[in-house]
Amino acid sequence: IVMTQSPATLSVSPGERATLSCRASQSVSSYLAWYQQKPGQAPRLLIYDASTRATGIPARFSGSGSGTEFTLTISSLQSEDFAVYYCQHYYSWPQAFGPGTKVDIK
Amino acid sequence: QVQLVQSGAEVKKPGSSVKVSCKASGGTFSSYAISWVRQAPGQGLEWVGGIIPIFGTATYAQKFQDRVTISADEFTSTAYMEVTSLTEDDTAVFYCARGTVRGYTSSWSDWGQGTLVTVSS
Repeated sequence: IVMTQSPATLSVSPGERATLSCRASQSVSSYLAWYQQKPGQAPRLLIYDASTRATGIPARFSGSGSGTEFTLTISSLQSEDFAVYYCQHYYSWPQAFGPGTKVDIK
Repeated sequence: QVQLVQSGAEVKKPGSSVKVSCKASGGTFSSYAISWVRQAPGQGLEWVGGIIPIFGTATYAQKFQDRVTISADEFTSTAYMEVTSLTEDDTAVFYCARGTVRGYTSSWSDWGQGTLVTVSS
């Protein structure tokens, strides 16, 4: 299963809404996670099972979708949200990550 | 909260091997999957492979299956990843990660700090 993400880079102003897309080459049901990674840090789980926020993740992060099309929405970008975001399926092994979307400051 | 502590940075010659460890503390080890993820400099995340310690059999991504061996020691709550026949293209940070829930169908909620493997002649 191959994961793709769009756009590759998203330029957003603080306080604005960001919408990131992820597509799977075949259905992964709802077995889809989103991770945030900042430079020099390990990835951080944001969303699992397509729409469940991980422990401690702010409510401004939300996930939706099932099957092959998924979306991560950040409702109002804060300064700490500028980072790279990866989707990942865990429908089966081997798993796979998408190539990532970099969210930077407009 | 589970803590994963990885072994330190390594510098290796082309053609050699490296073995990275990942020690878990603070939670159940045997029935949660452990995955290894590679990140080359400036690149994205690649799933290398994983194992559920209680089952003992590892699964690998196709591009790694000839050169990578993943294992786990339930008694010391430690997972290992060995990469053989290293090339300069293997220079990367390797992360271990633990499953969010028991079993294979799991995202990764706990991550190690990463181990930088540098391959250089």
